[in-house]
Amino acid sequence: DTAVSQTPKYLVTQMGNDKSIKCEQNLGHDTMYWYKQDSKKFLKIMFSYNNKELIINETVPNRFSPKSPDKAHLNLHINSLELGDSAVYFCASSREGVVYGYTFGSGTRLTVV
Amino acid sequence: GEDVEQSLFLSVREGDSSVINCTYTDSSSTYLYWYKQEPGAGLQLLTYIFSNMDMKQDQRLTVLLNKKDKHLSLRIADTQTGDSAIYFCAERTGNAGNMLTFGGGTRLMVKP
Repeated sequence: DTAVSQTPKYLVTQMGNDKSIKCEQNLGHDTMYWYKQDSKKFLKIMFSYNNKELIINETVPNRFSPKSPDKAHLNLHINSLELGDSAVYFCASSREGVVYGYTFGSGTRLTVV
Repeated sequence: GEDVEQSLFLSVREGDSSVINCTYTDSSSTYLYWYKQEPGAGLQLLTYIFSNMDMKQDQRLTVLLNKKDKHLSLRIADTQTGDSAIYFCAERTGNAGNMLTFGGGTRLMVKP
């Protein structure tokens, strides 16, 4: 009964490939997010999405794109992977008008070789 | 712009109190949060405080907020080895999308 689940947990791939990371939440939350955590543990927001609005961090390369087939899912597609994309990617969700913060998934460790 | 800063590392002995500090720059912050990240895991919400509060206590955790100095702290009483983790503070401002801005995290090491 995981609240926010991400797959896969680990992903190793070659430079230039295209890959996707899936995220699903069963909390009935309105908004979902993708964060990138680098090797120094810094967390950077990539996207925020609800059924009304997609907000993109302008520093995120356009090789990254979120896709939401429905309210409970927000997948992350990455095209033409680069070495610098290696990181842990976290999905999170929250109820609109969040007071209680986010609920995070357990992360996907992406390694680009 | 938004900027949240924390010291990188804190080491304490089991049974002592730990105090983790955080500073932020955005005066329009509405809520401030503390998250805990254990190795290989996602972030777990520990506690939060509304910006019109000075203090919040929850069992072994005490959050202090000095809004004038934009300083937030998390005190863990009777620190245990299981408290060893990375602790992140985060702020929510009035920006669109309810996005949280996180500090760089403080790695707490508890020695037996």
